[in-house]
Amino acid sequence: QSALTQPASVSGSPGQSITISCTGTSSDVGGYNYVSWYQQHPGKAPKLMIYDVSNRPSGVSYRFSGSKSGNTASLTISGLQAEDEADYYCSSFTSSTTVVFGGGTKLTVL
Amino acid sequence: EVQLVESGGGLVQPGGSLRLSCAASGFTFSSYVMNWVRQAPGKGLEWVSGISGSGDSAYFADSVKGRFTISRDNSKNTLYLQMNSLRAEDTAVYYCAKDRAVVVPAATDYWGQGTLVTVSS
Repeated sequence: QSALTQPASVSGSPGQSITISCTGTSSDVGGYNYVSWYQQHPGKAPKLMIYDVSNRPSGVSYRFSGSKSGNTASLTISGLQAEDEADYYCSSFTSSTTVVFGGGTKLTVL
Repeated sequence: EVQLVESGGGLVQPGGSLRLSCAASGFTFSSYVMNWVRQAPGKGLEWVSGISGSGDSAYFADSVKGRFTISRDNSKNTLYLQMNSLRAEDTAVYYCAKDRAVVVPAATDYWGQGTLVTVSS
């Protein structure tokens, strides 16, 4: 099972919006609405930010949103804040009844 | 409050075995899929294995299939990962993670703090 493809890094200034892409295949991202996004700060456990493509868990800021088109899912963070600086990972359920993660994207807030 | 506490990590020689445990509290343990996810030093997340709420169905990444076994004891609210034939590339922090789903892994909404497994001679 190949990892989902994410950009290695993205950056933005406070207040701006950024989008992180996550590309898979029809056997994972494109075939199911079980795409999730996680935020991980250094030395910490990951935190669920988006599940089922576009749903936010309770307590997650409205500034985080998710979407999907074909085999590519996207995470958008609006109104960037310093505390958003972290690593972000996407994941998807697969046709093999497994889960595959993306390689991760390092977000830098300039 | 959901709590997941892993234990059992440590240093093991290549070819050796180790059993990880995860004690869960704060939710109805038997109602959810539970997962193990690992992260090698300085690397990304890798899903390792998941097990249905009842324990009847188990799922594995290709990288560990045939070497790792996942199980759960719903009477003790505890998840296990038996790791055999360990390799250097299995070195990682292993996270126990609760899923939102009941039968198949979909999205992990709570994570433990992780336990480090080091495979080295």
